[in-house]
Amino acid sequence: QKEVEQNSGPLSVPEGAIASLNCTYSDRGSQSFFWYRQYSGKSPELIMSIYSNGDKEDGRFTAQLNKASQYVSLLIRDSQPSDSATYLCAVGGGTSYGKLTFGQGTILTVHP
Amino acid sequence: DAGITQSPRHKVTETGTPVTLRCHQTENHRYMYWYRQDPGHGLRLIHYSYGVKDTDKGEVSDGYSVSRSKTEDFLLTLESATSSQTSVYFCAIGGGGYGTDTQYFGPGTRLTVL
Repeated sequence: QKEVEQNSGPLSVPEGAIASLNCTYSDRGSQSFFWYRQYSGKSPELIMSIYSNGDKEDGRFTAQLNKASQYVSLLIRDSQPSDSATYLCAVGGGTSYGKLTFGQGTILTVHP
Repeated sequence: DAGITQSPRHKVTETGTPVTLRCHQTENHRYMYWYRQDPGHGLRLIHYSYGVKDTDKGEVSDGYSVSRSKTEDFLLTLESATSSQTSVYFCAIGGGGYGTDTQYFGPGTRLTVL
């Protein structure tokens, strides 16, 4: 069974700092990688998807994928209090075609 | 919420009663999913559908059944609700295949079984 592990939280960073969220996965055949943000009491919303090794940047967010190390990360630059949420890593493809496996989530708090 | 609605949004029921949750999409996505989310467990897949009348089990399917008679609707039924099924239930839609397997989530249904 595919496993997805995220760095344990909660993670607390000061406003303006870089927040680093990490995720490892067990299925070497995985092909699709996602980061979702979930505010308390709300549904998960997609932040980034990444399919190829390397970095992918979108505004203040950068996703990094290393398939050899089975590792995906999310960097949030210039963190804002509005970034305070739970971040979910999800992995798809490989033995789980059509499905995503989610990590347990990392709670991020950005304090002023 | 990418054209996804869930009903009801909140429900309180008693142990042993049947409960049906509805997910409706206007995006014409092939795949539809039901998840439950509990503290400490993250999102866990209950059942999913890859087309009309085509469904399969997820990792926590015991006690749940699903049906999909139309592309736009995916129903989750708890035949006889138990307190362990108290949870927040999310429906999601997606394309399924590589490059199209992003999933978009509905607003959720909070179910309490007394």
